[in-house]
Amino acid sequence: AQKITQTQPGMFVQEKEAVTLDCTYDTSDQSYGLFWYKQPSSGEMIFLIYQGSYDEQNATEGRYSLNFQKARKSANLVISASQLGDSAMYFCAMSPSGSARQLTFGSGTQLTVLP
Amino acid sequence: NAGVTQTPKFRILKIGQSMTLQCTQDMNHNYMYWYRQDPGMGLKLIYYSVGAGITDKGEVPNGYNVSRSTTEDFPLRLELAAPSQTSVYFCASSYSMRDEQYFGPGTRLTVT
Repeated sequence: AQKITQTQPGMFVQEKEAVTLDCTYDTSDQSYGLFWYKQPSSGEMIFLIYQGSYDEQNATEGRYSLNFQKARKSANLVISASQLGDSAMYFCAMSPSGSARQLTFGSGTQLTVLP
Repeated sequence: NAGVTQTPKFRILKIGQSMTLQCTQDMNHNYMYWYRQDPGMGLKLIYYSVGAGITDKGEVPNGYNVSRSTTEDFPLRLELAAPSQTSVYFCASSYSMRDEQYFGPGTRLTVT
């Protein structure tokens, strides 16, 4: 069984500053994928970034980067230069090896960007 | 491309009623998923499908059924609705194992 833990129910960051959202995971699989999704107040789920367990480099997508520490089983999301539009719920998720890639989600972190 | 579409957007059911949540994707994705999201929580997988004719249970399948007769459509059936099924339901699809999942806009269901 897999488990995702997000220990920060809420976070505040000043506009233009960087923020790190924590995610730790537990799995016995050797091959797996880690994802971050953003859910604004409108409710849709928006894919942000993906990291494969065998990827040697940390994933980056624009202002988003994933700080992947495999030995510590952590996959923290770093948002640089926060914008007011970044205020949303952020979910960490993982998928197992195998064919279906169904996602297991954490409980989320509500990020508020302050002007 | 419309992506992943879900209907209806909102629905109120009485206890014991049944309904089908529709999900369609036009991206020719093999994999499709149904999740539910309870207030303040992450999403939990109900059912998934790896292709037409193939479905399997996720973490919380009780009270639901699915079918996948075509690549495009993956309806979710609620039989004998219960208040515990009040939730937001998301359908998602992906092309392959490494690809991210694309989500529909969700269906907000209330059972009273």
